[in-house]
Amino acid sequence: EPEVTQTPSHQVTQMGQEVILRCVPISNHLYFYWYRQILGQKVEFLVSFYNNEISEKSEIFDDQFSVERPDGSNFTLKIRSTKLEDSAMYFCASSERDWDGTQYFGPGTRLLVL
Amino acid sequence: QQQVKQSPQSLIVQKGGISIINCAYENTAFDYFPWYQQFPGKGPALLIAIRPDVSEKKEGRFTISFNKSAKQFSLHIMDSQPGDSATYFCAASNNNAGNMLTFGGGTRLMVKP
Repeated sequence: EPEVTQTPSHQVTQMGQEVILRCVPISNHLYFYWYRQILGQKVEFLVSFYNNEISEKSEIFDDQFSVERPDGSNFTLKIRSTKLEDSAMYFCASSERDWDGTQYFGPGTRLLVL
Repeated sequence: QQQVKQSPQSLIVQKGGISIINCAYENTAFDYFPWYQQFPGKGPALLIAIRPDVSEKKEGRFTISFNKSAKQFSLHIMDSQPGDSATYFCAASNNNAGNMLTFGGGTRLMVKP
């Protein structure tokens, strides 16, 4: 069964450093998303992406965040200058169509900012 | 108005019992209501979903009940099993607003053998 994959599974970084989280969505999916989950809290939407453009973004997704689809398979989230409060689990999701709402999540990248 | 409120925060059920988790929403523009199951260290996995044109949807032991007028929906797990022990999240999205999922706070379910 096709699945969303994410790398790395864990990332430890120093405050102020740049990190890039990588995702490979399901191959025939066209809509891509990033969510985050701070430990013990609910999953929060960050950004949606379609046709090489951001579709929607939350207030969390400020100027330090960016997304990119550098090739036909990868989807990345870059955090330019990490803060302590960026420590969270970051999930990538993808969907085949926008109208049925079904999103499939990857296993996540646990980011720890020291 | 974007919030989805979920209760209870935690739930303990005996094996074979019925687990019931409730969610309420405010935004009447929401038109898709999925439930996700999450095991520790894993990503949320889609369990079952419903649209507001039906009041109930059943898949195996899992049933969603939807009350549009009350803006509430619930997940029922029949014949709960220890393997169902996980955190369950309800969510909602609006097809005309990018389909971003708004999640409830989660319910940690423990099914005792």
